[in-house]
Amino acid sequence: GQNIDQPTEMTATEGAIVQINCTYQTSGFNGLFWYQQHAGEAPTFLSYNVLDGLEEKGRFSSFLSRSKGYSYLLLKELQMKDSASYLCAVISNQAGTALIFGKGTTLSVSS
Amino acid sequence: DAGVTQSPTHLIKTRGQHVTLRCSPISGHKSVSWYQQVLGQGPQFIFQYYEKEERGRGNFPDRFSARQFPNYSSELNVNALLLGDSALYLCASRGPAGEPQHFGDGTRLSIL
Repeated sequence: GQNIDQPTEMTATEGAIVQINCTYQTSGFNGLFWYQQHAGEAPTFLSYNVLDGLEEKGRFSSFLSRSKGYSYLLLKELQMKDSASYLCAVISNQAGTALIFGKGTTLSVSS
Repeated sequence: DAGVTQSPTHLIKTRGQHVTLRCSPISGHKSVSWYQQVLGQGPQFIFQYYEKEERGRGNFPDRFSARQFPNYSSELNVNALLLGDSALYLCASRGPAGEPQHFGDGTRLSIL
């Protein structure tokens, strides 16, 4: 079967750094995505990892370890607008190239 | 450039009715996927189409069906609606393999 786990909720303050973890169990792994979703809006693409290591994009970085079935999203210099749900999703070739999502982590950033 | 567009934005139906949701992908994208998102959960995969052929199907009953047209737009049909079908239905399109899927704003379906 396929299983993706991430924390339900996290809180942080403006300017801080937060790390959102994601563990997955899936067959035929073909990559891992992170999406951001503000309440009532569509998910928007943040990052993509297919090989082990760290991908950096501005204030956001994502890490992947395929042997451990583990990824994290690192958000630096947090801003109030970063309050959103963060979705971890894997591509499993058991479902074409569709995304299999975790339940999402709701991040609340306070001043 | 226009992103993924979905219609309608909101829809209210009653139990037993059927519904058709529509999606236009980003220009040049040939792959379209449908997802169901219940409040507080991540999106759940329903269907994926590529070049008008079904390439993947999630764990949804046969009441759910979809198709893709020659212009790569897509429809999701749900028959015999149940209260549990109330959700946000998201459409996503993708270009070449390895590129991310881009989501539309979704159709919020409420079943009374």
